[in-house]
Amino acid sequence: DAGVIQSPRHEVTEMGQEVTLRCKPISGHNSLFWYRQTMMRGLELLIYFNNNVPIDDSGMPEDRFSAKMPNASFSTLKIQPSEPRDSAVYFCASRLTGKNTEAFFGQGTRLTVV
Amino acid sequence: SQKIEQNSEALNIQEGKTATLTCNYTNYSPAYLQWYRQDPGRGPVFLLLIRENEKEKRKERLKVTFDTTLKQSLFHITASQPADSATYLCASDYGGSQGNLIFGKGTKLSVKP
Repeated sequence: DAGVIQSPRHEVTEMGQEVTLRCKPISGHNSLFWYRQTMMRGLELLIYFNNNVPIDDSGMPEDRFSAKMPNASFSTLKIQPSEPRDSAVYFCASRLTGKNTEAFFGQGTRLTVV
Repeated sequence: SQKIEQNSEALNIQEGKTATLTCNYTNYSPAYLQWYRQDPGRGPVFLLLIRENEKEKRKERLKVTFDTTLKQSLFHITASQPADSATYLCASDYGGSQGNLIFGKGTKLSVKP
């Protein structure tokens, strides 16, 4: 397996534009996480899916952020409209559901909103 | 609210010494703690997991302890090398059945030759 695949690797966009980040989890994994990482706040959990269903989205900062998982092999995180304070590295991770399982991370998407 | 914290942002040590990193948790009882390594420009990579009923876990030069009384996990790298320089993060769920995975802010370790 190629691991967790995220696209794009880098995204530069203007304030107010819509941004869509994409993630393909490892085949067979049924838990998927979206994280945002900044120097100030570290790695923050935004939303967690189990079997394609959002279980906890309490980390989503505001209504401008939305995430979907239409099937087991694809998820998107959308920001509309984007703002400069959304600039960060966004990671997707997947794992088999269970308390003792490790998470596998993608390479991340570095988002810059100017 | 539940918190998982790594109080040291950075740790600088000399090659060959033992690095010790700390992870504390408050207001919940995790069933396990995980430790990850993150290199610049890359996603975190899993290193070790320790369960609440385990006192200690080892893997090569790595050792993790779990003290439920102190609500703390210690991560040790013995005979440290410059290649061990990276950011190390601890993680756990909320101790319930949600399956979430939350992370501390990480400690940046620098091993000087």
